[in-house]
Parts: sequence; structure tokens; C-alpha cells
Amino acid sequence: DAMVIQNPRYQVTQFGKPVTLSCSQTLNHNVMYWYQQKSSQAPKLLFHYYDKDFNNEADTPDNFQSRRPNTSFCFLDIRSPGLGDAAMYLCATKTSGSSGTQYFGPGTRLLVL
Amino acid sequence: SQQGEEDPQALSIQEGENATMNCSYKTSINNLQWYRQNSGRGLVHLILIRSNEREKHSGRLRVTLDTSKKSSSLLITASRAADTASYFCAREYGNKLVFGAGTILRVKS
Repeated sequence: DAMVIQNPRYQVTQFGKPVTLSCSQTLNHNVMYWYQQKSSQAPKLLFHYYDKDFNNEADTPDNFQSRRPNTSFCFLDIRSPGLGDAAMYLCATKTSGSSGTQYFGPGTRLLVL
Repeated sequence: SQQGEEDPQALSIQEGENATMNCSYKTSINNLQWYRQNSGRGLVHLILIRSNEREKHSGRLRVTLDTSKKSSSLLITASRAADTASYFCAREYGNKLVFGAGTILRVKS
């Protein structure tokens, strides 16, 4: 089945130690998103790719970076994780040019020690 | 803030009862979407209603939209224990979604 896959599902890192979260999709969608969701809060958009064009949200900290080497894969890099970065990170995809559904992966829960 | 507001924040009902969740927003929309999130999981799209629509149905779900009041509601009829989840409305602008704060629904069996 076509889907959005996130690995790992749980990630533990140390304060200040760089970490990379991965997302892949078999939907061939050209728009990919990264959201941060803290406990009992709404998902908050960090950035998105429209094809290879990177779109950063104005309030996304510089500590967060992203790479999209091809249509299928997108990575979230946290350069120096702080305790406040502990959250669920959600990847989603969508076909551009149409109003409609975003397809979400199961998320990666990040714990910062 | 462009975020919408949802109420109630939490709702607890008995199986078989109906559940109604409300969403308000501040700016004009092209469409409004509702998503469900089971605990610790990703979001699942439920229904999309366009700005020129007033009501939409999907199975046990009914969504209404009142653009004059900038509000929408999600009704789940004949609820089941499996409906226990968080429900979010989301306003779409461009290629982006802005989510409301969500309603936590608990259906007791």
C-alpha cells in the first residue's frame, strides 16, 4: 500500500547531540511537510518542500534543518537538540495544485536526555 | 494567530451517544478539513468541506460550515469506543494547513 513511513518511531538523543529523523513516501507526492507536535498541542508546521523548493516557517528555529535528496525521501536534522525539542515529529505529503488531503506518517517521538 | 479555536477541549461520552466538536477561525478559507489522531500516532484525514459548501457527510460523520460565523462543527453519530481520539480542524491556505488546538474525545463502553 502507498504510504508515508517514518523511521525510527522512537528516538532518544542527548542534549546537544545532532539527530536526524527520516521520512519516506511511496505516494509520489511532490509536497512534503515536517510538523512538530508537543504534548496535548496542535501540530505546528516547521517547513515544507514544494518539489525541491524549501519553504521555512518564519518562527522555525535555526536549529532545525531539512534535506530532500529526491521525491521519496525527506530528512529533519536537529543540530543541537535542547530539552524543549522533545516532541512528536510528523511528516506529511500532498499533491500540489489541489486542495486536499495531507497524508501523515506515524510520527517519530523524540526524547532528549 | 491564524490558529483556529476548538471546543470543547475534552469530551467524554457513552458509547452510542453523539459527539459534537466545534471549530472557529479568524480569516477567510478555501476549505476546512478535519483530522483524527489516535494516541501517539499520525493524523488521519476525515473530511474536507469547501467554502461554498454548508454540509458534508461521510458515514457517521457530519460536518457543517458557516462562513458568516467563521465556524465549523463535526458531529459523530452513534459513537463507538474506537472513536476515542483527538480531533483537529485545519484551515488550508496555499499548500499549508493551520491546525486548531483539538478536541480530545473519550467514548466509554
